[in-house]
Amino acid sequence: GAVVSQHPSWVICKSGTSVKIECRSLDFQATTMFWYRQFPKQSLMLMATSNEGSKATYEQGVEKDKFLINHASLTLSTLTVTSAHPEDSSFYICSANSRRGSMNTEAFFGQGTRLTVV
Amino acid sequence: AQTVTQSQPEMSVQEAETVTLSCTYDTSENNYYLFWYKQPPSRQMILVIRQEAYKQQNATENRFSVNFQKAAKSFSLKISDSQLGDTAMYFCAFYGGATNKLIFGTGTLLAVQP
Repeated sequence: GAVVSQHPSWVICKSGTSVKIECRSLDFQATTMFWYRQFPKQSLMLMATSNEGSKATYEQGVEKDKFLINHASLTLSTLTVTSAHPEDSSFYICSANSRRGSMNTEAFFGQGTRLTVV
Repeated sequence: AQTVTQSQPEMSVQEAETVTLSCTYDTSENNYYLFWYKQPPSRQMILVIRQEAYKQQNATENRFSVNFQKAAKSFSLKISDSQLGDTAMYFCAFYGGATNKLIFGTGTLLAVQP
């Protein structure tokens, strides 16, 4: 299957600083990428849909100025958590949909990023 | 709006036994896709099996099979010959309609006991 690489796997940052998380599709072009947040023992909560070359679509309740998403190419989307606070500490996961045939309906996930804000 | 319900927060099964995880969904769409994802302790999401709604035949992948009942909007996952490595959180997911999003259930934490 297709590979999605997410970096970093974990990051610790100080309160008030910004953190950038990268999501790359390694062997396919992804017109659409998704960013999720997951709390312990809970399901994935969709934060936003990232579309190549256009603005991201945010889910209700997600602050677009706090969670900046950029999808500058067909293989890279970034999520920047700005002015991070301890309550932003969570596990963030990206996924990408391939353009190829039936794989349009299959999402491939990155390995996730554990963010801890101290 | 589409919803996905997993009514079993936790389940346990003995090694080599068979276990079935339940999933129901609600949609007005006729064409859609259903998935089971596994999330082991590493937290990497792994696709276990997928089912196209237009296919009547239940999907099978080695020890994993589904019971897809379209009229009842039910999509259960059967794991045969359970192995210790099957211990994970399992998420049922729906994809369809114009939203272009995966809708996840709340998950079932499966523990395989030696």
